[in-house]
Amino acid sequence: AQSVTQLGSHVSVSEGALVLLRCNYSSSVPPYLFWYVQYPNQGLQLLLKYTTGATLVKGINGFEAEFKKSETSFHLTKPSAHMSDAAEYFCAVSELGNYQLIWGAGTKLIIKP
Amino acid sequence: NAGVTQTPKFQVLKTGQSMTLQCAQDMNHEYMSWYRQDPGMGLRLIHYSVGAGITDQGEVPNGYNVSRSTTEDFPLRLLSAAPSQTSVYFCASSPRAENTGELFFGEGSRLTVL
Repeated sequence: AQSVTQLGSHVSVSEGALVLLRCNYSSSVPPYLFWYVQYPNQGLQLLLKYTTGATLVKGINGFEAEFKKSETSFHLTKPSAHMSDAAEYFCAVSELGNYQLIWGAGTKLIIKP
Repeated sequence: NAGVTQTPKFQVLKTGQSMTLQCAQDMNHEYMSWYRQDPGMGLRLIHYSVGAGITDQGEVPNGYNVSRSTTEDFPLRLLSAAPSQTSVYFCASSPRAENTGELFFGEGSRLTVL
């Protein structure tokens, strides 16, 4: 069965530092890949997605992610963290024609001043 | 533009009580779904619908009931609440029934069962 692993339930970085949130999936078929962000006491919102084409995907708020098929990874990065980036981030995958997303457990990003 | 609206935002129930969480979307989306979110477990799909009159079970459907009589509304019913159903519930919709994963979420309903 398809699964999604997010390495680290909490990641702490200093303001201005690189943000790297890791996501690995298990699939024999290239899936659709997503990152969602959840700010405190809010619903989730789509940050970026990969379906086909260019493997480096840019999203909102300066985030980007790269699909690496050989590594079955879709890590999320941002060159310079901002205090407003503090939130929980979820990686998710789906397969064409499948009605269900498979979710990672989430990574809480903490920004140190 | 309202998007996905969930009510109530907070609810406390006693074990055995029943209640309905309401979800409405004004975007004419075909696909609607209910998730529960528990710490360290990500989101788990309870039920989903690909159109009016069509519903199906997700990963954790036991103890919950849904119906989809209109495109806009997708209520979630707890038949006999149990403490294990204490959670935050999210309704989410997507424009197309085949669901490419682009979900629009409500703000959540926090349920406590005593």
